[in-house]
Amino acid sequence: DAKTTQPPSMDCAEGRAANLPCNHSTISGNEYVYWYRQIHSQGPQYIIHGLKNNETNEMASLIITEDRKSSTLILPHATLRDTAVYYCIVRVGGGNQGGKLIFGQGTELSVKP
Amino acid sequence: GAVVSQHPSWVICKSGTSVKIECRSLDFQATTMFWYRQFPKQSLMLMATSNEGSKATYEQGVEKDKFLINHASLTLSTLTVTSAHPEDSSFYICSASTLAGEQYFGPGTRLTVT
Repeated sequence: DAKTTQPPSMDCAEGRAANLPCNHSTISGNEYVYWYRQIHSQGPQYIIHGLKNNETNEMASLIITEDRKSSTLILPHATLRDTAVYYCIVRVGGGNQGGKLIFGQGTELSVKP
Repeated sequence: GAVVSQHPSWVICKSGTSVKIECRSLDFQATTMFWYRQFPKQSLMLMATSNEGSKATYEQGVEKDKFLINHASLTLSTLTVTSAHPEDSSFYICSASTLAGEQYFGPGTRLTVT
């Protein structure tokens, strides 16, 4: 699986958009970009995933560059409860043939009042 | 989203004893489950991939005789830490994969070996 690079930490003001970048320059054509987050002492929570098109759900938006070498997770209106470590992971997707998730160090997002 | 549970949520055991941790997918069947370990201030480390009805696949450096994994049904996988030592104290997290390939994580089990 390709590796990802994320900034170790970021701050965001409550109510503002949080934009979390991720570099995955060695991503393969059949690898998806997944985002998870982990609030302290809990299991990771699935946020969103995509292959090449931008994706949006009730939690966030995922913007993937045209060359797929980087992506940005957007939390449109960050709240204090969004304070967590955010992990960007690339892996082969699709059914139970999907590859395992290998976690990097992630970005520790602190949402401040 | 799909729900995965773990039991117990925390456990304290004495050095040399064995501890079993259960991982259940509550509202879906999971042919594949994964076990992770997380030390304080560190990321999750994948330990093994568990497939229903077959032997688990362990990541490099993980002792299969120490961390016994059983995936006897489509909704249950167990991790047994045998002859636990203080260095095995950690946060153990499982995940279960849906047919669509999405992984949902359990809440984790905190193991303390004294």
